[in-house]
Amino acid sequence: DAKTTQPTSMDCAEGRAANLPCNHSTISGNEYVYWYRQIHSQGPQYIIHGLKNNETNEMASLIITEDRKSSTLILPHATLRDTAVYYCNTLLTFGNEKLTFGTGTRLTIIP
Amino acid sequence: NAGVMQNPRHLVRRRGQEARLRCSPMKGHSHVYWYRQLPEEGLKFMVYLQKENIIDESGMPKERFSAEFPKEGPSILRIQQVVRGDSAAYFCASSSPPETQYFGPGTRLLVL
Repeated sequence: DAKTTQPTSMDCAEGRAANLPCNHSTISGNEYVYWYRQIHSQGPQYIIHGLKNNETNEMASLIITEDRKSSTLILPHATLRDTAVYYCNTLLTFGNEKLTFGTGTRLTIIP
Repeated sequence: NAGVMQNPRHLVRRRGQEARLRCSPMKGHSHVYWYRQLPEEGLKFMVYLQKENIIDESGMPKERFSAEFPKEGPSILRIQQVVRGDSAAYFCASSSPPETQYFGPGTRLLVL
């Protein structure tokens, strides 16, 4: 798996868009970028994944740069319940490979 | 549509006892993964199983730890002769490839 780097922590005002960056400069052409989050000490929650194109679902949007060396997770209207540690990483395939969790970004939503 | 279920949610054991953690995957999922999260640390992969097969156990400690996923029933992570360093949150995830993994709520193991 490619190595990723994320900021250690970020703050965002409630109601604003939270933009979480991730660098994956050594990603290979067929590796996906994926995001999970862990709220307090709950089980990790899948957010979104993508290969080349930008992706959007009910939780978030994923913007991947054209060279695929970095990406940004966007929570469009952050709420207090979005306070969590957000993990970005890469993976060749889904469902039959172990996930790797680095240190992640601790996102705090400010009221 | 029930998610991944783990029990017990909290488990207290004295040093030297056995801990048995159970994981019931989501309906239709035949792949199970176990991860461990030590206090103030990130999650670390332990083992990946399909029904009656261990696919990848590269993250399992060499001694005292074992896992199984029988044809019928939940997956079991077994820790024999627990030590204080085994105190952690143990998370199970399940999947139906090529879909992603979905995690359970975890079992918090405390070794006294």
